[in-house]
Amino acid sequence: QQPVQSPQAVILREGEDAVINCSSSKALYSVHWYRQKHGEAPVFLMILLKGGEQKGHEKISASFNEKKQQSSLYLTASQLSYSGTYFCGTEVGGSYIPTFGRGTSLIVHP
Amino acid sequence: SAVISQKPSRDICQRGTSLTIQCQVDSQVTMMFWYRQQPGQSLTLIATANQGSEATYESGFVIDKFPISRPNLTFSTLTVSNMSPEDSSIYLCSVQTSGSPTGELFFGEGSRLTVL
Repeated sequence: QQPVQSPQAVILREGEDAVINCSSSKALYSVHWYRQKHGEAPVFLMILLKGGEQKGHEKISASFNEKKQQSSLYLTASQLSYSGTYFCGTEVGGSYIPTFGRGTSLIVHP
Repeated sequence: SAVISQKPSRDICQRGTSLTIQCQVDSQVTMMFWYRQQPGQSLTLIATANQGSEATYESGFVIDKFPISRPNLTFSTLTVSNMSPEDSSIYLCSVQTSGSPTGELFFGEGSRLTVL
């Protein structure tokens, strides 16, 4: 079942922070985050496994709340290069093959 | 990491025809997948390409419409058969490799199909 992402779109100025949420109606084994720039292939950001961990990647980090079946992606001090569509993918059985949400469009202005 | 080459990168096709998309990977591949991304939409898994055997299709996708071959570890083809305008989409090859963190997917640049 497809996870629900919110918000659908975010517009920021450089240096501002953003949070993208991903929720599922099912118990999750893993949550995957990808970024896709316009006209390019999606690029892996990180994967979080059940256990409530938080991971970081430069100024982009994520948390996974197993109980709430939710994950959040945190982008701090946004840079122009952060613009793109962010997809969360969820997986329930340990196959590591995610089902992706509809994406969140992030636009960072100078 | 993995470098994935997809051909063609784009094509315009007539209704009722078929088109085969090729995917070649330069790394040790453990899993290979085909995704579809309709304009402005999410990434939808079509099937898992299995080496030397029939692909495993997701709900809503069938072999007659999307035949897939994977003759070896690093090469696969996806055919979109008897195309209609609803098949206009970007088709992406994706792999997991033996050298990357568990679950990381590498995607090709995609093949953008427009069906008239």
